[in-house]
Amino acid sequence: SQTIHQWPATLVQPVGSPLSLECTVEGTSNPNLYWYRQAAGRGLQLLFYSVGIGQISSEVPQNLSASRPQDRQFILSSKKLLLSDSGFYLCAWDGQGIGAQYFGPGTRLLVL
Amino acid sequence: QKEVEQDPGPLSVPEGAIVSLNCTYSNSAFQYFMWYRQYSRKGPELLMYTYSSGNKEDGRFTAQVDKSSKYISLFIRDSQPSDSATYLCAMSAGGTSYGKLTFGQGTILTVHP
Repeated sequence: SQTIHQWPATLVQPVGSPLSLECTVEGTSNPNLYWYRQAAGRGLQLLFYSVGIGQISSEVPQNLSASRPQDRQFILSSKKLLLSDSGFYLCAWDGQGIGAQYFGPGTRLLVL
Repeated sequence: QKEVEQDPGPLSVPEGAIVSLNCTYSNSAFQYFMWYRQYSRKGPELLMYTYSSGNKEDGRFTAQVDKSSKYISLFIRDSQPSDSATYLCAMSAGGTSYGKLTFGQGTILTVHP
């Protein structure tokens, strides 16, 4: 069966510090991968998606970036965090041609 | 107007009640419809997945899609306190190499004993 992992689970970072969040998927190959942000009391905002290694598409202009160095690994990064980057970050995957996405446990980021 | 509108709630019901959660949408290209359940501080969990119009039942949960009215519903029978969560509807047009989902804002449900 497929499993999706995210770490860390919680992160508290000062403004201006760098960020690296990691997501890995097990039990499938060539998945589509997604990064979402969920602000408190709000819906899910798609940040990036990837259909293959090295292929990244950005949905929202911001100071975040994403990379996919391996088939089942997706990384969300920032060089300098802003207060507005606080939120709940979710990684998701789906198989090619399947409409539903499966989410990881999420990383709660607080920027102070 | 948002592409997907979801009844915001919050919704509070007694244990054993029938719960109805609803979303409307404006994009007639949507073909795939999903309901997710999200417990506090957890990632969303896929609850129901349907394609095109019709009903789908899974235990106490029934998903309905009416494409002519652009309206989808999730019914929960014999609701339990463990059903207390935020419910998110989501939908996509499909037919592309990636599945861009459009989500509702979520409905907070509380089932009290």
